[in-house]
Amino acid sequence: EVELVESGGTVVQPGGSLRLSCVASGFPFDGFSMHWVRQAPGKGLEWVAHLTWDGDFASYADSVKGRFSISRDNSKNSLYLQMNSLRVEDTAFYYCVTDFEHSSSAFGDWGRGTLVTVSS
Amino acid sequence: QSVLTQPPSVSGAPGQRVTITCTGSGSNIGAGHDVHWYQQLPGTAPKLLIYRYSSRPSGVPARFSGSRSGTSASLVITGLQPEDEAVFYCQSYDDGLRRVFGGGTRLTVL
Repeated sequence: EVELVESGGTVVQPGGSLRLSCVASGFPFDGFSMHWVRQAPGKGLEWVAHLTWDGDFASYADSVKGRFSISRDNSKNSLYLQMNSLRVEDTAFYYCVTDFEHSSSAFGDWGRGTLVTVSS
Repeated sequence: QSVLTQPPSVSGAPGQRVTITCTGSGSNIGAGHDVHWYQQLPGTAPKLLIYRYSSRPSGVPARFSGSRSGTSASLVITGLQPEDEAVFYCQSYDDGLRRVFGGGTRLTVL
């Protein structure tokens, strides 16, 4: 069974930095592209970042480009999101998500999310 | 403002049929990119419900179906059940290497 467990969410001041982690199990992690998707409390979904299976290609939403960095360590079945220059509007649940194996543009499995709160 | 447009809410009585629309543009649905649907039950993470407009992942009941027409897509739920009450999101791929979502539609089962 696929399991994605995010961690690292906490309260941080505007302008601060945070690193989120996601540990994956139950599937061949090094064969899947991975994503971070966020959801502000009570709001809709927003795709944040994508990283190919080999870590060679990353893409970002315009709202986080230049501030966030996605990375992975396939030897540890782990995905990361380095978040710098955080803003109040970055407050959200951050989900670690896999590509769907039958359609590369769909999201497959989701973690439970970790809450990042940016507030002074 | 979401790239894909969905109605904020729909409702129906148990056993009825409801349709949720998702309207895009020439850079996403109109460009031929697939549309996928997700169901988010209260307090849980989203779950893939329909992929490539009309295909269902294993375990998703046949009561859920999808279709496409031009720059729009639709999710149809037949035989509505109380446990279907959730927020539904459509998602596609937009030119410029990014994935985009609709704003979400809250389904209320009356």
